Amino acid sequence: GQNIDQPTEMTATEGAIVQINCTYQTSGFNGLFWYQQHAGEAPTFLSYNVLDGLEEKGRFSSFLSRSKGYSYLLLKELQMKDSASYLCAVKDSNYQLIWGAGTKLIIKP
Amino acid sequence: GAGVSQTPSNKVTEKGKYVELRCDPISGHTALYWYRQSLGQGPEFLIYFQGTGAADDSGLPNDRFFAVRPEGSVSTLKIQRTERGDSAVYLCASSPSGPPDEQYFGPGTRLTVT
Repeated sequence: GQNIDQPTEMTATEGAIVQINCTYQTSGFNGLFWYQQHAGEAPTFLSYNVLDGLEEKGRFSSFLSRSKGYSYLLLKELQMKDSASYLCAVKDSNYQLIWGAGTKLIIKP
Repeated sequence: GAGVSQTPSNKVTEKGKYVELRCDPISGHTALYWYRQSLGQGPEFLIYFQGTGAADDSGLPNDRFFAVRPEGSVSTLKIQRTERGDSAVYLCASSPSGPPDEQYFGPGTRLTVT
């Protein structure tokens, strides 16, 4: 079967750094996405990795290791507005997105 | 420019009734996806259109669910004989030229079956 695992909830402090991990087992791999979803809103695109390594975009970075079936999203200089769920999704061999259940990130002052 | 829009934003219906949910994708986007999402879960794939045709409908849970996109833009998700288990947020997303492009999501329709 296909499986995406990420922690259910994480807590971090404003101004700090947090790393959200994602492991996956899918039938084929055609890229990994991270989306942010605020409560009651639709997911919005954050990052895309298809090759191994680190992709940096401002305060957010995403890392991929295809051999380990592993990715992480790194958020720096945390702000209160970063409180949201972070969804990991993998495109499988049919180019369909397989979604994780999301990690709820709580930022404390 | 305008993003993906969905109507209605909320729909409350009685068990056994028929409902239609509408999605207006971003202009020019050829790929359109329907998902449903329950609280605390990631989106669950339902169906994917490339142009007017359903390229993959493997996620539709049963034959009560049907979707159309007759002119390759607006899509309608139709649910017959609704059940309480159908209650969820139904999300629509579009992307410019199909996989592997990023998907842009609409605000969703919250369906409640009483």
